[in-house]
Amino acid sequence: QLQLQESGPGLVKPSETLSLTCTVSGGSISSSSYYWGWIRQPPGKGLEWIGNIYYSGSTYYNPSLKSRVTISVDTSKNQFSLKLSSVTAADTAVYYCAVPSGYYYHWFDPWGQGILVTVSS
Amino acid sequence: QSALTQPASVSGSPGQSITISCTGTSSDVGGYNHVSWYQHHPGKAPKLMIYDINNRPSGVSNRFSGSKSGNTASLTISGLQAEDEADYYCSSYRSDSTVVFGGGTKLTVL
Repeated sequence: QLQLQESGPGLVKPSETLSLTCTVSGGSISSSSYYWGWIRQPPGKGLEWIGNIYYSGSTYYNPSLKSRVTISVDTSKNQFSLKLSSVTAADTAVYYCAVPSGYYYHWFDPWGQGILVTVSS
Repeated sequence: QSALTQPASVSGSPGQSITISCTGTSSDVGGYNHVSWYQHHPGKAPKLMIYDINNRPSGVSNRFSGSKSGNTASLTISGLQAEDEADYYCSSYRSDSTVVFGGGTKLTVL
């Protein structure tokens, strides 16, 4: 059974790059069976899909974030990562990693517990 | 402002049934049978409860059911229990190849 755990800095300065890692256990990130995804939730707001990646490196990003987002896979560490550049206070959120499934990889199961990232100087 | 519209809160007494709505457009909820529902207890990982309108993952109680009519999807919880108190989010595939979510509904069990 897949389990996911987010890690990374909880505080990032404005204009810098947010970097998070999701460690996968219970399965191989190189498996052709899985895509991997990131979702976030700003305080007091709803969820926002950030993007998905296949183990081969194919990526699919939310157009509203595409210019600033990079999702990558590290098969040697069984991890995948999120980088979000030029952050502002609006990027303050709980960031979740999850496993997308379904015909369009449109539902997510399981999820990690999430990590709060605050953008502040 | 979230892409899908959910009521901010709903409540019900133990044993009762409640329904949470999720309204989108013909580009998302109305155009595809790809609506999902998630239960979120604060501080824990969100849990998938329903996928593709009315399918339950293994292990999810059959007290949870989903439906769709036009641009509005619904999650119904029957036989309400105290442990059902949580935040619930809907999501849908959208025609621009993205996934959109609702703003969430806080369920209170009275």
